[in-house]
Amino acid sequence: DTGVSQNPRHKITKRGQNVTFRCDPISEHNRLYWYRQTLGQGPEFLTYFQNEAQLEKSRLLSDRFSAERPKGSFSTLEIQRTEQGDSAMYLCASSLDSYGMQYFGPGTRLTVT
Amino acid sequence: DQQVKQNSPSLSVQEGRISILNCDYTNSMFDYFLWYKKYPAEGPTFLISISSIKDKNEDGRFTVFLNKSAKHLSLHIVPSQPGDSAVYFCAARPNNAGNMLTFGGGTRLMVKP
Repeated sequence: DTGVSQNPRHKITKRGQNVTFRCDPISEHNRLYWYRQTLGQGPEFLTYFQNEAQLEKSRLLSDRFSAERPKGSFSTLEIQRTEQGDSAMYLCASSLDSYGMQYFGPGTRLTVT
Repeated sequence: DQQVKQNSPSLSVQEGRISILNCDYTNSMFDYFLWYKKYPAEGPTFLISISSIKDKNEDGRFTVFLNKSAKHLSLHIVPSQPGDSAVYFCAARPNNAGNMLTFGGGTRLMVKP
């Protein structure tokens, strides 16, 4: 049984570049969540999907951010025109259903130089 | 505006003694509370939870207490072990907003042998 996986684990990019992260949830989980964690803070909710439908987006998710879950399985999070303030750990989680326990992946650490 | 707060950024205890981690919240709509543990380079892992209809939940060495009138919960670890050294996050879920979690800032627990 594999847990939630995220790729890449680390990404260093220059300001202004676009980056894309991938999350593969636990296979039977229909809910998928994205969180962002900055240094010394707890994870902050960004968005979540039920199957392929994006149901909620936080105000933290500016128009430079877009997330997709095209077939209700893996998800991608893209950040366009990255800024230094985007440097953070991006965490993905999945749950079996609406109120199921969320299982987190190891995260993708983004550094914008 | 932090809806979930962990006011102690760090805590150091001796092996075998009790660790008490505290969490305060402000949103009366929260009805389910969780504690996650996080080791470096890993995602948060679920530890224990409590529903707002209870005031105590116990699982082995871990007990969570909820005081709704004070909007306060605490995690007790007895006896503490060096392997418990990690960052602990308190999280809360509202009863009207799907499964989005609001996290506190975390408390780093160090258990000394």
